[in-house]
Amino acid sequence: GAGVSQSPRYKVAKRGQDVALRCDPISGHVSLFWYQQALGQGPEFLTYFQNEAQLDKSGLPSDRFFAERPEGSVSTLKIQRTQQEDSAVYLCASSLEDNYGYTFGSGTRLTVV
Amino acid sequence: GQNIDQPTEMTATEGAIVQINCTYQTSGFNGLFWYQQHAGEAPTFLSYNVLDGLEEKGRFSSFLSRSKGYSYLLLKELQMKDSASYLCAVETGGSYIPTFGRGTSLIVHP
Repeated sequence: GAGVSQSPRYKVAKRGQDVALRCDPISGHVSLFWYQQALGQGPEFLTYFQNEAQLDKSGLPSDRFFAERPEGSVSTLKIQRTQQEDSAVYLCASSLEDNYGYTFGSGTRLTVV
Repeated sequence: GQNIDQPTEMTATEGAIVQINCTYQTSGFNGLFWYQQHAGEAPTFLSYNVLDGLEEKGRFSSFLSRSKGYSYLLLKELQMKDSASYLCAVETGGSYIPTFGRGTSLIVHP
């Protein structure tokens, strides 16, 4: 597609439930980032892939968060045993190369109740 | 650690000019981005500065001073649709991971 696609657009999860958020980057984009954005805040870095390699996961807040990009295209961010503090918008961004301009998806708004 | 500071909120009048400042203290610097984000939407790219100076792009201009750790976004001839959050992001280190400020919410009123 022409842009970065994320699904679902909205997700309501009960506390303790596992969720999986999907990101389809722009075709051919090498770099892929996940960010978490709380209401009224800027995006906070979670993790970064270059092709299928996860080069940086220093921003993942706990071991309940896991991301993968097995074939170097689609990426999935999984959150296990969701907690209320996980409620946020999860943004995915991709770029052709490092330092080449990043395109963001519209995000998945996760609400944990 | 990384520290990026920008005002929380600004208001301006339609047709006017507004300057949104961003100061940063980061370990390493590759470049600085400005993004616009309307409520509930994805951030969209506005500008990217690597070298000192002013870069103009239509109604929007962005300035960078690397020695001062300072940037600003200048919006001219403000329109109501410019009401949005403006995010400053600094790209640091060898991995080129952008670190974002909390954003400046700009409200344009008639």
